Amino acid sequence: DAGVIQSPRHEVTEMGQEVTLRCKPISGHNSLFWYRQTMMRGLELLIYFNNNVPIDDSGMPEDRFSAKMPNASFSTLKIQPSEPRDSAVYFCASSFQTSSPSYEQYFGPGTRLTVT
Amino acid sequence: DQQVKQNSPSLSVQEGRISILNCDYTNSMFDYFLWYKKYPAEGPTFLISISSIKDKNEDGRFTVFLNKSAKHLSLHIVPSQPGDSAVYFCAASACVGGTSYGKLTFGQGTILTVHP
Repeated sequence: DAGVIQSPRHEVTEMGQEVTLRCKPISGHNSLFWYRQTMMRGLELLIYFNNNVPIDDSGMPEDRFSAKMPNASFSTLKIQPSEPRDSAVYFCASSFQTSSPSYEQYFGPGTRLTVT
Repeated sequence: DQQVKQNSPSLSVQEGRISILNCDYTNSMFDYFLWYKKYPAEGPTFLISISSIKDKNEDGRFTVFLNKSAKHLSLHIVPSQPGDSAVYFCAASACVGGTSYGKLTFGQGTILTVHP
């Protein structure tokens, strides 16, 4: 079975440019999570979706960040305009939630973003 | 406000000895706790979990202990092996109002190095 797929794996861009990160969750999973990993703060939850609907975006750092989930098999995280402090590894994770929450999330390999 | 804290950025252990990784939390609503393991250039993978109704859960060489009164949990690895060298993340979840959608709050991570 394919796991969570993220693209690109590495992205280097200049300050001010738009960056789009992509995620394909595991088929059948109905919750999707976007995280950012930095040395200082570890893994921070940015936003999560349940059944394609954004549930909590309180972790999104600024209006420059936006996320969409147009269907059950695809999500994007966009940064516009990008800044050097956005440099981090961005992870997407998915899980299957029923009336009894399942806490085990499956992570993709991450996208390493460098903004110069 | 870091609700889940791993105060030791790194830990070095000799092969065959016990590794003890610690995690503290501040949110008394957390009722489920997990440990994830992360190798370089990969996403985190689920390792072991514990519900707040228990104080211990064991899976092979891995045991997680929960002390609710101290808001503290620990992961014990016995015996430690060089292949255990990775970053270990502690995570917690709170089922508030019967709905959590599996949202996790992660700590900063601890780098474990097991020397042969």
